[in-house]
Amino acid sequence: SYEVTQPPSVSVSPGQTASIACSGDTLGDNNACWFQQKPGQSPVLIIYQNYKRPSGIPERISASKSGNTATLTISGAQPVDEADYYCQTWGSSTDVIFGGGTKLTVL
Amino acid sequence: EVQLVQSGAEVKKPGESLKISCETSGYIFTSYWIAWVRQMPGKGLEWMGSIFAGDSDTKYSPSFEGQVTMSADKSISTAYLRWRSLKASDTAMYYCARLDSSGWAKWGQGTPVTVS
Repeated sequence: SYEVTQPPSVSVSPGQTASIACSGDTLGDNNACWFQQKPGQSPVLIIYQNYKRPSGIPERISASKSGNTATLTISGAQPVDEADYYCQTWGSSTDVIFGGGTKLTVL
Repeated sequence: EVQLVQSGAEVKKPGESLKISCETSGYIFTSYWIAWVRQMPGKGLEWMGSIFAGDSDTKYSPSFEGQVTMSADKSISTAYLRWRSLKASDTAMYYCARLDSSGWAKWGQGTPVTVS
């Protein structure tokens, strides 16, 4: 079965840049999405098709993909960005794969 | 406005059956895939499977195949997730989400299920 791997946690100081990587063989052939989930809330799509932002997502949230690795970048991180972040891609046919999630701490 | 509204919290005993729902509105139900996603307490997101509401074509994650059944009722634009016999390990939050050209962009509010 396919897997994608994220670091369990990332910490940054306010105003710094946070980067979260997501790696896995299947990313080489498939697009990546990213979700933000805050405690007690449903996940929110923040990046789709590797780098595109849905309307309403701030420009300081960006992403890219190179080879088998997708990277989410939050520039000028703020306390409001503290959340769990999940990458998501596809495996064979229509199987959906989530990364294990990364807890971002801004302090 | 696209909305996915899930049924309320459930508390069940092991061995009982359960069916939770995801009522949709604001779009053509039969044109989209709906996924079910599990989140166990303190854990990450797990894709359980997806159903195409137009013809009920269903794809299950190998981890959930045979454990749950997904269905869709076109007449009331509602998707369902059913268990025949619950286990304590089914205790989790369950989300439905709609797939569109942007990905899984619209999510329900979640249904907490407690089996004890």
